[in-house]
Amino acid sequence: AQSVAQPEDQVNVAEGNPLTVKCTYSVSGNPYLFWYVQYPNRGLQFLLKYITGDNLVKGSYGFEAEFNKSQTSFHLKKPSALVSDSALYFCAVRASFMFSGGYNKLIFGAGTRLAVHP
Amino acid sequence: DSGVTQTPKHLITATGQRVTLRCSPRSGDLSVYWYQQSLDQGLQFLIQYYNGEERAKGNILERFSAQQFPDLHSELNLSSLELGDSALYFCASSVDRVYTDTQYFGPGTRLTVL
Repeated sequence: AQSVAQPEDQVNVAEGNPLTVKCTYSVSGNPYLFWYVQYPNRGLQFLLKYITGDNLVKGSYGFEAEFNKSQTSFHLKKPSALVSDSALYFCAVRASFMFSGGYNKLIFGAGTRLAVHP
Repeated sequence: DSGVTQTPKHLITATGQRVTLRCSPRSGDLSVYWYQQSLDQGLQFLIQYYNGEERAKGNILERFSAQQFPDLHSELNLSSLELGDSALYFCASSVDRVYTDTQYFGPGTRLTVL
């Protein structure tokens, strides 16, 4: 079965420090991985995705994510955190066409709350 | 702003009632997806429509139904509402020409069942 795990409910980091939000996945076939961010009372905003190619993916607002196939991980990173980055972050996976019966649904992790302190 | 619109933003109703949530996808997007976000279940895929036809079903209750109209907007109908149906309901859309398309989410409709 396909699944996504975000092992940390909350991540605390000081402004200006690097941040990492962890994500591991389990899926048959090639994974397609996504990160979304949810600000209070807002919808999910797309940050970045990994489809194929370079393992380091760059996205919006200075975020990047590193795909590691051997560790089945797709951790979200940012070199210098801002207070405005405080939000709920979701990792999601979509299985390749062959193994998902053509479904395009996203399987989401439980979310990680990022708190950046001044 | 993702370009996906959802109405209403908030909905408060009583148990046993029926409500309709509406979604307009981004211009040019053919696929619409519905997701439910609740505290105990997290974000769950409900159903997908592509160009007017149902394409995939997830954890959608029989009391819930959806459709996509010729102008590509979609409606999610929730009936015989229960307290546990209180949640944030998101619509997302994608072009869906290639399998790796990004889904863009609307702001959601917060449903409260009293």
